[in-house]
Amino acid sequence: AQKITQTQPGMFVQEKEAVTLDCTYDTSDPSYGLFWYKQPSSGEMIFLIYQGSYDQQNATEGRYSLNFQKARKSANLVISASQLGDSAMYFCAISPERSQGNLIFGKGTKLSVKP
Amino acid sequence: DAGVIQSPRHEVTEMGQEVTLRCKPISGHNSLFWYRQTMMRGLELLIYFNNNVPIDDSGMPEDRFSAKMPNASFSTLKIQPSEPRDSAVYFCASSLSVVGTDTQYFGPGTRLTVL
Repeated sequence: AQKITQTQPGMFVQEKEAVTLDCTYDTSDPSYGLFWYKQPSSGEMIFLIYQGSYDQQNATEGRYSLNFQKARKSANLVISASQLGDSAMYFCAISPERSQGNLIFGKGTKLSVKP
Repeated sequence: DAGVIQSPRHEVTEMGQEVTLRCKPISGHNSLFWYRQTMMRGLELLIYFNNNVPIDDSGMPEDRFSAKMPNASFSTLKIQPSEPRDSAVYFCASSLSVVGTDTQYFGPGTRLTVL
């Protein structure tokens, strides 16, 4: 079985600073994907970034990067130069390659960006 | 490019009524997923389709829930009869395939309130 743990229910960051949102996972599958989604107060789920378990380099997408430490089973999201619009819930999710779409989500971290 | 489209965005109904939620996946995507999000249980996968065929409906809470995908561009999730505990946000998501490492893109969700 797969499991995602997000230990930070809430985080605050000052505008323009960087912030790291923690995510640890548990899986026995050798091949899997890790995903981060953003859910603003308007409710939609927005895909941010993907990391494959066999990817040698950490994924980056604009101001988002993923600090992937496979041995520690962690996949932390780093947001650089925080903006007010980054205030939202952030969900980490895992899906083994052979799972046929069974995306398992963590409970999320609520990020608040202060002006 | 059009994302996943869901309708209605909000639905308020009375207990016992039939509710039908609609979803149009991203063109070219072969897999479609229905999720439910509540404060208590987070995001739960209800059912998913591959090439219009239901693959796994083990997440459907009970027989009151049913889902169909008559063609590649349309799916419905029906609740009959609805109950107050069905109140939640229902998301539809689509991906290229059911391979676990394919990214799922979510629609804006339907917020259902059953009185």
